[in-house]
Amino acid sequence: EPEVTQTPSHQVTQMGQEVILRCVPISNHLYFYWYRQILGQKVEFLVSFYNNEISEKSEIFDDQFSVERPDGSNFTLKIRSTKLEDSAMYFCASSERTGRYEQYFGPGTRLTVT
Amino acid sequence: DQQVKQNSPSLSVQEGRISILNCDYTNSMFDYFLWYKKYPAEGPTFLISISSIKDKNEDGRFTVFLNKSAKHLSLHIVPSQPGDSAVYFCAASVNQAGTALIFGKGTTLSVSS
Repeated sequence: EPEVTQTPSHQVTQMGQEVILRCVPISNHLYFYWYRQILGQKVEFLVSFYNNEISEKSEIFDDQFSVERPDGSNFTLKIRSTKLEDSAMYFCASSERTGRYEQYFGPGTRLTVT
Repeated sequence: DQQVKQNSPSLSVQEGRISILNCDYTNSMFDYFLWYKKYPAEGPTFLISISSIKDKNEDGRFTVFLNKSAKHLSLHIVPSQPGDSAVYFCAASVNQAGTALIFGKGTTLSVSS
């Protein structure tokens, strides 16, 4: 069964450093998403992406964040200058364009900012 | 501002019995609702969804009920199995592609044998 994959599974970085989290969405899906879950809190939406453009973003997704689909398979989330409060699980998800709107999630990347 | 609320942080059920997980929402614009299951160190796994034009959707042991007037939905698992032990998230969105899912805080279900 097709699934969303994410790399790395765990990323440790120092405050102020840039990180890139990578995702490979399900191949026939056209919408891509990033969510995060800070320890003990709920899963929060960051951004959705369609046709090489951001289609929706939350107030969390400020100028420190960017997304890109650099090729036909990868979808990335970049955090330019990490802060301690960026420590969280980051989940990538994808969904079909029409008919079925459920989003399928990857296993997540645990980002630890020290 | 909790648009999606799961007021029970935990639920314990015996194997073979029914598990009922509840969810309330406040935003009248929501018209698509989903349940996800999550194990530790894994991503949320889609279980079942329901559109606001329906009041019930069933898939095997899982049934979701929607009461729009009360802005309430519930997930029934019958019969419950030990492998169902996980965190269950309710999520809501506007019924179109590309929109954000708004999640509740989750309910931890423990099924004992």
